[in-house]
Amino acid sequence: GQNIDQPTEMTATEGAIVQINCTYQTSGFNGLFWYQQHAGEAPTFLSYNVLDGLEEKGRFSSFLSRSKGYSYLLLKELQMKDSASYLCAVMDSNYQLIWGAGTKLIIKP
Amino acid sequence: IAGITQAPTSQILAAGRRMTLRCTQDMRHNAMYWYRQDLGLGLRLIHYSNTAGTTGKGEVPDGYSVSRANTDDFPLTLASAVPSQTSVYFCASSDGLAGNTGELFFGEGSRLTVL
Repeated sequence: GQNIDQPTEMTATEGAIVQINCTYQTSGFNGLFWYQQHAGEAPTFLSYNVLDGLEEKGRFSSFLSRSKGYSYLLLKELQMKDSASYLCAVMDSNYQLIWGAGTKLIIKP
Repeated sequence: IAGITQAPTSQILAAGRRMTLRCTQDMRHNAMYWYRQDLGLGLRLIHYSNTAGTTGKGEVPDGYSVSRANTDDFPLTLASAVPSQTSVYFCASSDGLAGNTGELFFGEGSRLTVL
C-alpha cells in the first residue's frame, strides 16, 4: 500500500530552527508537496520538489531524496505565526496526491 | 479575487437527510477535488473532476456523488447522511496544465456534523 509518515507533533522555540521529516512509500513518484494549515483554516501551498536536492524559499526550505523516499521541511527563524500543521503529500504514478496526517508544530516563546 | 468558495461553512444535520455542499471557483481551473479531513488522518480524496463534464472516484467515494456541469462549480451531495460522514470537507482546484506543479488551491472548508 501507499504510505506517508511524518511525526504527529513537534515543539520548537521562537527564533530557532526546526526540521519536519516525511518518509513515503508510493506507487511511482511525480513530486512531493508541503502545505501549511493553520487551525480551522484551509491548507496553503508551501513547496514542491520533484528532483533531489534543496529548494529554498525565504525562511522555508524543502529537501528531497527520491532514492531514500525522504523529504524534510526546514523552518528557520521561527515566528509564533509558524504554529500550524504541516502536511506532506506525494503525487503518485497516476498523478493522485497521497497525504500524510500532518505534523502539528507548536512554537513556544 | 474570491478564489474558491465553499458553502455552507458549517452545518448540523440529522442522519438520513440529503445534503449538498457547494463549491465555486473563479480561477478557470480545469481540475477540481473534494477531500475530507478527519483528526489523525491525512486528507482523503472523495471525488475529482479533471475537466468540465467528467468526474472520477477517489479513495473514499461511497455515500457521495458529484457533478461538473461547468468549469466553475463542483457540488458534493450526500444522498442519505450517516454519522461517519461527520468531517471537515475541503474543495480544491488546480490548473492541471502540463508543466505546472499541480499546486492545489483550497476553499475554507465545510464542517459537517451528522447526528
